Amino acid sequence: QVQLVQSGAEVKKPGASVKVSCKASGYTFTTYGISWVRQAPGQGLEWMGWISGNNANTNYAQKLQGRVTMTTDTSTSTAYMELRSLTSDDTAVYYCARSRSGSYSGTWGQGTLVTVSS
Amino acid sequence: EIVLTQSPGTLSLSPGERATLSCRASQSVSSSYLAWYQQKPGQAPRLLIYGASSRATGIPDRFSGSGSGTDFTLTISRLEPEDFAVYYCQQYGNSLWTFGQGTKVEIK
Repeated sequence: QVQLVQSGAEVKKPGASVKVSCKASGYTFTTYGISWVRQAPGQGLEWMGWISGNNANTNYAQKLQGRVTMTTDTSTSTAYMELRSLTSDDTAVYYCARSRSGSYSGTWGQGTLVTVSS
Repeated sequence: EIVLTQSPGTLSLSPGERATLSCRASQSVSSSYLAWYQQKPGQAPRLLIYGASSRATGIPDRFSGSGSGTDFTLTISRLEPEDFAVYYCQQYGNSLWTFGQGTKVEIK
């Protein structure tokens, strides 16, 4: 079955970077992209960006431009999201979701909690 | 950027009742690129509806979506105990996503 499995929880200090992974299985990785969405504690869903499965195209939320980098490794069917210059406002659960460009997602990862604290 | 506004913020209903959730867009959503998700505490969002009115695989027919342009509705015909959750609308046109702020459906 189609599945996305994310890396484990992280605790980071302000100013540090975090890299979250999302390993896909059950489908041909390059035929779908991966979107990243985050959810701060008790808050709603915030789209961060999208990357094509073949790593050729990205589209980042304007708010995060310059701080976020999304990549994929087709040899391991894994997507990565790196966020730099972390502040307490980046404390959230980060989700990856399988999607084509300009489309919805029926498959989500289980989420990765990133806590930013001094 | 299209802003989605959901109402009400909280809906207090009893099992068996009908739930009507609204999602209004700040500008027309192209080709009805509007989806609805359900989220329960500690879980990832679950796709219910896409294309404004198409049910995702495995979604019970008590869930239905309607609307076009700037006004969309999710209806749950008869609430089951497992339906009490937070619901988000999402637009996915123009190669970017935006979400509404969510409607919590709680047990009255």
